[in-house]
Formats: sequence, C-alpha cells, structure tokens
Amino acid sequence: DSGVTQTPKHLITATGQRVTLRCSPRSGDLSVYWYQQSLDQGLQFLIQYYNGEERAKGNILERFSAQQFPDLHSELNLSSLELGDSALYFCASSLRPGTDTQYFGPGTRLTVL
Amino acid sequence: AQSVTQPDIHITVSEGASLELRCNYSYGATPYLFWYVQSPGQGLQLLLKYFSGDTLVQGIKGFEAEFKRSQSSFNLRKPSVHWSDAAEYFCAVVGLEAGNMLTFGGGTRLMVKP
Repeated sequence: DSGVTQTPKHLITATGQRVTLRCSPRSGDLSVYWYQQSLDQGLQFLIQYYNGEERAKGNILERFSAQQFPDLHSELNLSSLELGDSALYFCASSLRPGTDTQYFGPGTRLTVL
Repeated sequence: AQSVTQPDIHITVSEGASLELRCNYSYGATPYLFWYVQSPGQGLQLLLKYFSGDTLVQGIKGFEAEFKRSQSSFNLRKPSVHWSDAAEYFCAVVGLEAGNMLTFGGGTRLMVKP
C-alpha cells in the first residue's frame, strides 16, 4: 500500500459526459502528479501540482483540468469525454517536486462507451 | 527532451532462471532513473532508483539495476525469478527542467514459466 488513495476505482460513462477523479496523497506529501495509461500511448504525464499551485503540464487535453485543494487532495476533471479517453488514470505524490520518489495510487479505470 | 526505451515488449523466463530487463535513456544531464513494477490490476510500485553514487543499486524483492553512463543504460536484473515476479516493468527517468515528471518507457511484460 503506497498510502496514495484514488476514487473511484472504476468509472463507466458515456461519450460527451463529464467525470471527476479524486486523489488523496500520502500523508505529508505536497506534490501531486496525474498520469494516463492507455494501450496506444503508454504511461503519460498529464499535470503536476505542488502545494496547491500548478507546477507543470504535460500532454493534457484542453478538455481536462485539475486542481489541488488546501487539504492537498487533488481532482482531475475530464469533460466532453470521447471513446479514446478510456484509460487508467494514476495519481502519484511526492514530498516535493524534483527527485523525491513518486508513490502511485491504485488508479481509476475509466471506460467511455 | 528526455526519453526512455525498453527494447523488449515481452520476455518469458523459466522460474529460477536469471532475468535482465533492458532500459536505455536519452537525457542531456545527469539522469535520475527508476524502475517500477505493475502487477495486473494494480498501481505502480517502486522497485529501485538511481540518483548518484554507486552505479549498482539494490531494490526490493531481490532486484538490482546497474547504471552505465557510457551506454545510457539502466538494466534491471534478478538472479532467480519467482512465479510472483510475473508483471509489467517500467523504466523511467525524471527530467528536472521538465517539471519533474516521470518519463516512462513502453514497459516490458514478464511471463514466468513453471
């Protein structure tokens, strides 16, 4: 158990819908990262937050957004969903940005029908 | 930009045999390298990491990896594989100037024959 929690574990929805994925980092970790794992793209970095502020963006679509709240939990919002958004979404946390080890949650599996 | 290549998509070894999973990276500065393992239906678990110092690093579950700067490689090894090692293995590099995100290789799926 990494100490990172993600809810829900599974999500099934329809095209055009909007969903919110939630992540609670390990106790004491200030930095949260979101990654997407799909069969065709592999594991890709989406976005990073540190202590409530957006720190870096990767290959995140404009239809996707995220935020980190004062209690340090984070939410990833996916809107206007398409079939191709079906993937496993991971949250990771670390104490600080940089070389601190990132600990991964169990992921949320999103299926768009 | 940094990149990671894992040349072997699938590897099958017999239980008790030795294992080496290959990883090559491309990065302009000193790399910070990681190996993660993902069991079916699970998240990623850190096996080991290299930041500096001794180029042979020990990890959990009996794994080790060797950093070779001249070959831009960070291969993962285990002397004797157990059936429970069947999983997908990912090599990753952190780019400090790129937001500290992990850049992953495509993964190597390990199957273990009894």
